[in-house]
Amino acid sequence: AQKVTQAQTEISVVEKEDVTLDCVYETRDTTYYLFWYKQPPSGELVFLIRRNSFDEQNEISGRYSWNFQKSTSSFNFTITASQVVDSAVYFCAPVNFNNAGNMLTFGGGTRLMVKP
Amino acid sequence: DAGVIQSPRHEVTEMGQEVTLRCKPISGHDYLFWYRQTMMRGLELLIYFNNNVPIDDSGMPEDRFSAKMPNASFSTLKIQPSEPRDSAVYFCASSSTGRSEEKLFFGSGTQLSVL
Repeated sequence: AQKVTQAQTEISVVEKEDVTLDCVYETRDTTYYLFWYKQPPSGELVFLIRRNSFDEQNEISGRYSWNFQKSTSSFNFTITASQVVDSAVYFCAPVNFNNAGNMLTFGGGTRLMVKP
Repeated sequence: DAGVIQSPRHEVTEMGQEVTLRCKPISGHDYLFWYRQTMMRGLELLIYFNNNVPIDDSGMPEDRFSAKMPNASFSTLKIQPSEPRDSAVYFCASSSTGRSEEKLFFGSGTQLSVL
């Protein structure tokens, strides 16, 4: 079973600031996937990114970047030059590699508020 | 393409009443999930189906909760009788193959308030 800790329950920044959302996970599995989902004020959860435990290369997508450190069991998410539209709750979720049914174990989420 | 469709968006009911939440997964998706989101417990998986068959219902809180999937395009989550502590946002999600690397597509959720 997996466990996820998103220690920051709420973060508030001013537009254009950079912000990093932390995610620390626990798993006994040697192979797994890590997901980030975004929940904007409209409510639905939207997939952002998936990484597998084999690949520790950091990833950048526009203003978003992810830092995966297997040694510290962390998968942190950074938004560069934040915008008001980034305001949302962000969830981190690990999934066992062989998990039939891709059952996600979500962290408690981090609410990000970006003020103009 | 239509995403996962849930209805109603909002439901307000009185304690003791029966509540039925509905979900239409994305066409062609073989896996359907029901999640519940509360402030206290976050997002919890309640049950999931594969090809209309319930596979894991270990997250269903108690016998008052039941879920069905009579066909590939429709699922219901029923609470009978409802209680105030059932107040939450209930999400339905679907995926094509259920493989662990696959992302889930979520509906907009049903906000349930039990008075």
